[in-house]
Amino acid sequence: SQTIHQWPATLVQPVGSPLSLECTVEGTSNPNLYWYRQAAGRGLQLLFYSVGIGQISSEVPQNLSASRPQDRQFILSSKKLLLSDSGFYLCAWTTDTNSYEQYFGPGTRLTVT
Amino acid sequence: AQSVTQPDIHITVSEGASLELRCNYSYGATPYLFWYVQSPGQGLQLLLKYFSGDTLVQGIKGFEAEFKRSQSSFNLRKPSVHWSDAAEYFCALSGGSYIPTFGRGTSLIVHP
Repeated sequence: SQTIHQWPATLVQPVGSPLSLECTVEGTSNPNLYWYRQAAGRGLQLLFYSVGIGQISSEVPQNLSASRPQDRQFILSSKKLLLSDSGFYLCAWTTDTNSYEQYFGPGTRLTVT
Repeated sequence: AQSVTQPDIHITVSEGASLELRCNYSYGATPYLFWYVQSPGQGLQLLLKYFSGDTLVQGIKGFEAEFKRSQSSFNLRKPSVHWSDAAEYFCALSGGSYIPTFGRGTSLIVHP
């Protein structure tokens, strides 16, 4: 069966520090991968998605970036965090064969101080 | 353009009462429709999905949803709510692309 991992689970970082969040998927190949952010009391905001290795599409211009170095690995990064980057970050995947339903990871709670 | 509207930000029900969460969509054809649930501090879990065929779909945890094309709605229902159903519920639409559109979510509060 398929499994999606995210780490770390929680993170507290000072403003201006770098960020790296990792997401890995097991049990499937060539998934479409997604990064979402949830700010407190708000819905899901799609940040990036990827349909293959090295292919990244950005939905919202900001100081975050994403990379996909391997088929089942998706990384969210920042060189300098802002207070507004605080939130709950979710990774998700889908494939051609499951009709667009998405499977979500457990999330990373990021607090920028 | 496609959109999903969840008109209710919060819904409060008593344990054992029935539940209906509303979802309206805008899309030019028959969409793929989904309901997800999110418990506090966790990721989203798929409750049910509609692609085609029977307009009443059954999901996990005793939930069901009915697709009504004439009303552009896909409301989620449960006949008897349990305290453990307290969570955030998201309706989502996919118009045949890999980029879904999510509603803003409805927070379900269950009173004992």
